[in-house]
Amino acid sequence: NAGVTQTPKFQVLKTGQSMTLQCAQDMNHNSMYWYRQDPGMGLRLIYYSASEGTTDKGEVPNGYNVSRLNKREFSLRLESAAPSQTSVYFCASMGGRDYGYTFGSGTRLTVV
Amino acid sequence: AQTVTQSQPEMSVQEAETVTLSCTYDTSESDYYLFWYKQPPSRQMILVIRQEAYKQQNATENRFSVNFQKAAKSFSLKISDSQLGDAAMYFCAYRKVVNAGNNRKLIWGLGTSLAVNP
Repeated sequence: NAGVTQTPKFQVLKTGQSMTLQCAQDMNHNSMYWYRQDPGMGLRLIYYSASEGTTDKGEVPNGYNVSRLNKREFSLRLESAAPSQTSVYFCASMGGRDYGYTFGSGTRLTVV
Repeated sequence: AQTVTQSQPEMSVQEAETVTLSCTYDTSESDYYLFWYKQPPSRQMILVIRQEAYKQQNATENRFSVNFQKAAKSFSLKISDSQLGDAAMYFCAYRKVVNAGNNRKLIWGLGTSLAVNP
């Protein structure tokens, strides 16, 4: 089925380790987003990419980097994981002007 | 800056009954979109319903409908004939038609947790 594929679904890291969360969409959407979700804090935007070749910071970009590899793929990298980055991460994409987001299934990341 | 407020952190409803979830927002724009998303325990974020601000008619999707009051900046979600599968976190979200730089970020409320009692 068409949609947003996000990997991995679960991950445990040790403090200081690095990892990349992968996201790909097959809906030919221009805009892609990375959010983190924490209890009581809703969804907070980390980075977004309005179109291929562009990326911009959101509300909470510190400790993260992103790459818009092509129109389909938008990855999120944690260079040196910290316990404060324990969260559920969502990738999303947006198509036409009338639409909301299509979300990936999320990644539960635990940093110990 | 635009904000979205969901004043009810938790709600409950009896199966087959009707429940209304509240959402208010703040904007100076005249044209925008509003959304309700559902997040069940599976964690998946699912679009429930959307409303274009320029349309006066309230959006409906099967058992889900909205009460859009533009002047009051209110966008409530009504769930009729509630089912056990409706138990979830519900998020209200706002988006400008087009933001600067062609980005289309959604502004999110903090969510309302809905329990459905059998």
